[in-house]
Amino acid sequence: DVKVTQSSRYLVKRTGEKVFLECVQDMDHENMFWYRQDPGLGLRLIYFSYDVKMKEKGDIPEGYSVSREKKERFSLILESASTNQTSMYLCASSTTGTTPGELFFGEGSRLTVL
Amino acid sequence: AQSVTQLDSQVPVFEEAPVELRCNYSSSVSVYLFWYVQYPNQGLQLLLKYLSGSTLVKGINGFEAEFNKSQTSFHLRKPSVHISDTAEYFCAVSDRTNAGKSTFGDGTTLTVKP
Repeated sequence: DVKVTQSSRYLVKRTGEKVFLECVQDMDHENMFWYRQDPGLGLRLIYFSYDVKMKEKGDIPEGYSVSREKKERFSLILESASTNQTSMYLCASSTTGTTPGELFFGEGSRLTVL
Repeated sequence: AQSVTQLDSQVPVFEEAPVELRCNYSSSVSVYLFWYVQYPNQGLQLLLKYLSGSTLVKGINGFEAEFNKSQTSFHLRKPSVHISDTAEYFCAVSDRTNAGKSTFGDGTTLTVKP
């Protein structure tokens, strides 16, 4: 069964802390994505990567960075967490080999910044 | 640029009644269309997709959607809903030119009442 695994389901951090959200996929997908989900705003793309060591900004990259050192792993980094980054973070992957845009999602990481 | 509009933010319906969740999109190129479902505290999972061919697409759990190119719509329907269909539903669009990126609507919360 195909799988996208996010390392933490729930995190509580303090303002100014550095936060790492990890995502691993076992489908050998080229593309990986980080979305942020807030009530009434749908899913907003933070960053995506279409290859190892490659990254592209999405619609709301400010305050975030990413790392993709291996094909299966895509990390989201909050250098200095702020309260307005309290949200649900969703990782997804896809392959251009079959259906462009068909995404496979992890369970989500709910981050609270105090 | 692409955009997706889900016309209803909340849809309450009684069990065994039919339901339609509406989705309109805009794009300057040919698109792929998706509906995803998100149950509470979970990630998104694919419900159905339109790539090409027949405009009526069948998905999991008895859902179907109809692609209407002239009206740029992709409405989701189910003839008889169950309590277990209570969830948030997202419409999304992508195309071959954007490395598999998807644009999401804001979501529709379907609440099925007994």
